[in-house]
Amino acid sequence: SQQGEEDPQALSIQEGENATMNCSYKTSINNLQWYRQNSGRGLVHLILIRSNEREKHSGRLRVTLDTSKKSSSLLITASRAADTASYFCATDGTTDSWGKLQFGAGTQVVVTP
Amino acid sequence: DGGITQSPKYLFRKEGQNVTLSCEQNLNHDAMYWYRQDPGQGLRLIYYSQIVNDFQKGDIAEGYSVSREKKESFPLTVTSAQKNPTAFYLCASSITGGRYEQYFGPGTRLTVT
Repeated sequence: SQQGEEDPQALSIQEGENATMNCSYKTSINNLQWYRQNSGRGLVHLILIRSNEREKHSGRLRVTLDTSKKSSSLLITASRAADTASYFCATDGTTDSWGKLQFGAGTQVVVTP
Repeated sequence: DGGITQSPKYLFRKEGQNVTLSCEQNLNHDAMYWYRQDPGQGLRLIYYSQIVNDFQKGDIAEGYSVSREKKESFPLTVTSAQKNPTAFYLCASSITGGRYEQYFGPGTRLTVT
């Protein structure tokens, strides 16, 4: 079953604008990860945020985590055409001792020049 | 170059035939995974392996089989018992359990007619 749900399903912005997408999940987690997938390709890991962290940055990416609301957001600042991709959140639930990841359905982002 | 390779990129089969998808990694990772992705959806876990000679069913294992005889290799067989095998198949690996980032291969698109 998919634990993470991304919102919105699709997002269209112009180069230079910021893109924000959200992920909600249902059960307690150890960590939450974000991945990017270009069309027809494998996933690429972007960032991992642990349950005791509230915010994390990596380059133009900013991730927040609110465990009380069971939600996370991914912000891409100053977007570029190369950021066009699908973005997935993946959670590692505390009920699974080995930590299998549960992926959401993704947010499809299109950045137009 | 370190990474994960999947072959072939595209695979076509007739209904009723078994087909084996290859996945090889040279990252020295203990854990390996197989996911299925359908259009517009997230990833669903088929099988995973924590260590050589051991593997576990994921969420949608019916109609699939795997082996893990070598650390580097985790082939997936899609059997004729899989009712809807046409999909994009992704292999991944990680140092160990799901609490670490996963590295993905480029995927194999299987079409069964």
